[in-house]
Order: sequence, then structure tokens, then C-alpha cells
Amino acid sequence: GAGVSQTPSNKVTEKGKYVELRCDPISGHTALYWYRQSLGQGPEFLIYFQGTGAADDSGLPNDRFFAVRPEGSVSTLKIQRTERGDSAVYLCASSLGLLAGGQVQFFGPGTRLTVL
Amino acid sequence: AQTVTQSQPEMSVQEAETVTLSCTYDTSESDYYLFWYKQPPSRQMILVIRQEAYKQQNATENRFSVNFQKAAKSFSLKISDSQLGDAAMYFCAYRSSNSGYALNFGKGTSLLVTP
Repeated sequence: GAGVSQTPSNKVTEKGKYVELRCDPISGHTALYWYRQSLGQGPEFLIYFQGTGAADDSGLPNDRFFAVRPEGSVSTLKIQRTERGDSAVYLCASSLGLLAGGQVQFFGPGTRLTVL
Repeated sequence: AQTVTQSQPEMSVQEAETVTLSCTYDTSESDYYLFWYKQPPSRQMILVIRQEAYKQQNATENRFSVNFQKAAKSFSLKISDSQLGDAAMYFCAYRSSNSGYALNFGKGTSLLVTP
């Protein structure tokens, strides 16, 4: 498939555990974004990467959240010491670039995280 | 920060009819991008249409068109000849052209299409 893929599709964990969510962007897309969507809400920005570096991580709610993109392609969102309030759908998107003409973001199907 | 408001939590339309979804936004910028995304139960956000603020002409994509009123900061989506497959959540989103590349989304409008 040529679209953005995310694994796992669903993740159930217990409070206090560590989780990793993976995103595979569209091949050739240099920009990658993470959003969090709580029930009944629109997606909220967490972080985006241009290449390997985090260009803006201002949306990360606290230091329990961290994301990496070591080779400029696949990204992993890491959540430490999960809390029940972290339960949400985590969406990943990618775009060809950041500048005009490349600014359309294509989304993956999301990972539904449930913290018990 | 820019805010996006969708004042209609739910809308309903009959098949083959036309429906308009409302969106307003707050910004002090003159150059930006606006988007409508569709999210079916599968969760995947699908781009419906986009508009560059510097373009006066309203964007159109087949049965989907927008009414972009820059002075009023309004960006409504019109769906013509509604089909059952149009049923979904619709999100309006704003993106700055020069102060960050994240999308700011509204809370969404749930569209129900009845036969």
C-alpha cells in the first residue's frame, strides 16, 4: 500500500506501563506529524518532524511523551508511565514537505490506545 | 493560537439533496490554508478539499465546494447530490503558512445521510 500505515491498530495497556506506537509514512514524504484525538474531539497536534529532527514538539502534553524518527522515515511515539487520560486515538500524518505545494497532510488509520 | 469553530455537532441530509457545513476561524494572519477532512468510522482522515487564503476563487472538487469568506473568517463546505457514502465526521482545519505547520482542527460535524 502507498498510504500511511500505523501499528498496532489497537493497544490496550495498564496504567503505569510503557507503550510504543509506530508510524510508516508515505515513501518520499519528508514531513511527519503526530496528533491525538480524544473521544468527540478533533485531532490535536503533538509533534512534527522534518527529516530526522523534531521541528516542533510544542504539542507534547508532558515529558512522559517522546517521539523519534532516527532515519527520517519511520517514527515511533513513546509514552512512559501511561495514565488513563492518555486513552485516545493517535493519528500520524505525512506530507511531501512543509512549503507550499507540499503542505497537504495524508493521514494513517490511527492507533486506538486504551489505558485501563 | 488560531481557533477553529464548527457550530453544528450534527447535521442530517437526504440522499441526493444538498447540505452545508459551517466553519469559522480566528486568526490575525493574512496568508494561510484551510481544509475540510472527512473521517468515516474507519478513523482514517481523508482530505476533501483545500483552500489557499490568497485565492479569491472558491475551491471545488466534484460534488464538494466551499464558500470562503475571508473578511468574515468563514469557510463552509457544501455537499451536493449527497450520497450514503458521504456519512462521516467532517473536520475543518486551519494551517498557518509561516508560523508552524500543524493543523488546527475544529471539533467536527457528524453528517448523517438518510435514504
